[in-house]
Amino acid sequence: GQQLNQSPQSMFIQEGEDVSMNCTSSSIFNTWLWYKQDPGEGPVLLIALYKAGELTSNGRLTAQFGITRKDSFLNISASIPSDVGIYFCAGQLKNAGNMLTFGGGTRLMVKP
Amino acid sequence: ETGVTQTPRHLVMGMTNKKSLKCEQHLGHNAMYWYKQSAKKPLELMFVYNFKEQTENNSVPSRFSPECPNSSHLFLHLHTLQPEDSALYLCASSQEMGSPLHFGNGTRLTVT
Repeated sequence: GQQLNQSPQSMFIQEGEDVSMNCTSSSIFNTWLWYKQDPGEGPVLLIALYKAGELTSNGRLTAQFGITRKDSFLNISASIPSDVGIYFCAGQLKNAGNMLTFGGGTRLMVKP
Repeated sequence: ETGVTQTPRHLVMGMTNKKSLKCEQHLGHNAMYWYKQSAKKPLELMFVYNFKEQTENNSVPSRFSPECPNSSHLFLHLHTLQPEDSALYLCASSQEMGSPLHFGNGTRLTVT
């Protein structure tokens, strides 16, 4: 089956720093999604990407759909303590029944 | 309020017990999903319902039995579970198959 390799698995950064994480796959996807999961809660959709090369921002978050359609990255600028959580990428392929394949997550910890 | 409500939030059950997890969505979505989230593993899709019809059973053991009486409600009936079934069980919904998922906050299940 399809697999997504998400890296890094965890990051411990200083407040104010920028963060970058990415997902890669050997499969091509039609859609890339980025979710954030706060402790004790379910994942919440941050950004959805639908076209190769697309670059989309949501506040301090920016995500890009790779040109090859096999990768995506998420950047967070000027991190703050509430950015703490687990970030998941998810890829979707239409001919796979539209099911999402999730990455293993990046656990972000921010030191005030 | 996430729009997807799961109850209970926490559940402890013995291996001989029978219990049910409940999910309700207030978003008018047509597709509903059960996911399993275990430590250090990607989110695992268990079941998918589209317009109340089950469209996906991802090789889930029969001790997990889903039920979808209408488009707004989804249940997961549990019986004779094993300790390795302890995990966070997440319900999600989407407008249609292929649309981004909206997750509930999950039920933290512990099997003793």
